[in-house]
Amino acid sequence: DVKVTQSSRYLVKRTGEKVFLECVQDMDHENMFWYRQDPGLGLRLIYFSYDVKMKEKGDIPEGYSVSREKKERFSLILESASTNQTSMYLCASRGTGGQQPQHFGDGTRLSIL
Amino acid sequence: RKEVEQDPGPFNVPEGATVAFNCTYSNSASQSFFWYRQDCRKEPKLLMSVYSSGNEDGRFTAQLNRASQYISLLIRDSKLSDSATYLCVVKPPGGYNKLIFGAGTRLAVHP
Repeated sequence: DVKVTQSSRYLVKRTGEKVFLECVQDMDHENMFWYRQDPGLGLRLIYFSYDVKMKEKGDIPEGYSVSREKKERFSLILESASTNQTSMYLCASRGTGGQQPQHFGDGTRLSIL
Repeated sequence: RKEVEQDPGPFNVPEGATVAFNCTYSNSASQSFFWYRQDCRKEPKLLMSVYSSGNEDGRFTAQLNRASQYISLLIRDSKLSDSATYLCVVKPPGGYNKLIFGAGTRLAVHP
């Protein structure tokens, strides 16, 4: 079974802090993704990576950056946290190939005070 | 127009009912299709892939209509445990392996 592990289930931070969300997958997947999910807005893609050190902006990259130094690890960074970044953050990974599904971590519920 | 569109619901049905969800996608060259299920405050989980000839998994049947660009999910003999949000997912053409998720259709099964 594919395992995608996010470092924290719940996180509380203060406005202006630099926040790191970590994600690790154990299936040697090339592709990794960060989403946020807010009530009524569905999943919104922040950034994704298709290889080590490679990254592509998703639909809402502003205020975020990412790092992929190793294949199994994909980090999301909030450079200077703001209250409008309070959300559920979901990491996912996917192999390469048409019918490959995407596997999600448990999610991190982040509150910015 | 959104790339993947779903009726948000909610669909409120009694136990034992048959319920169907539809989803439309905008890119006719899309390649792969899935249904995901998401329980309240949990992560999305793969329910089933959708194949061109249609496929069934127990009480769940998925159909793909490429000509009309829609995907359907049929749930027979609904159970209380089927209550969840069902996400329609499409892989568009192109070099990147990202999937496009619909906003989801909420199903509530009541006794």
